[in-house]
Amino acid sequence: RKEVEQDPGPFNVPEGATVAFNCTYSNSASQSFFWYRQDCRKEPKLLMSVYSSGNEDGRFTAQLNRASQYISLLIRDSKLSDSATYLCVVTPGDSSYKLIFGSGTRLLVRP
Amino acid sequence: GAVVSQHPSWVICKSGTSVKIECRSLDFQATTMFWYRQFPKQSLMLMATSNEGSKATYEQGVEKDKFLINHASLTLSTLTVTSAHPEDSSFYICSEAGDVSYNEQFFGPGTRLTVL
Repeated sequence: RKEVEQDPGPFNVPEGATVAFNCTYSNSASQSFFWYRQDCRKEPKLLMSVYSSGNEDGRFTAQLNRASQYISLLIRDSKLSDSATYLCVVTPGDSSYKLIFGSGTRLLVRP
Repeated sequence: GAVVSQHPSWVICKSGTSVKIECRSLDFQATTMFWYRQFPKQSLMLMATSNEGSKATYEQGVEKDKFLINHASLTLSTLTVTSAHPEDSSFYICSEAGDVSYNEQFFGPGTRLTVL
């Protein structure tokens, strides 16, 4: 079983749509959780951290369910510029600085 | 945030040659840097943790004699792919640790290696 699992997509949605991505992680000791965005042939960039209480940054909302070991990302009012691959990332919980990446969910926003 | 550069951005080489990739921290003294590899349509996989002034820590399954890491200064870490083969063709990305309390990392733009 992969440490971080994501639906690969692609999710093909019209502009203005709301889209949700899910992610599950296998290590219950994981401490920190993130969503990164990666454009084609580019490096990943931090989109937002994910906290137990849930957090929102503009059109983006992230949720964490530790009991179910489940993370979600909601994007409202999708823009063309949101087209990218969204990576779910966790830390292993062993106090290291390592990041464990999911394989990503691809989003295509069409006009 | 910190700025990380990588050089070269892409390289094509013949099988059997060695390739050196540089990762520089431009505005931050990074005692810890990370090297990742990403094959097409796959996730980033951590290869090794590079510590300034000491030996790198390699992840399981990564050959330390094939992927040589040198972190001689606080602003430069290098990854040398020795005797490269076509299966080493990949996207290599470095990162540096930022605020450790947030497990923050800043990524370089990546180096695309193609081995013929």
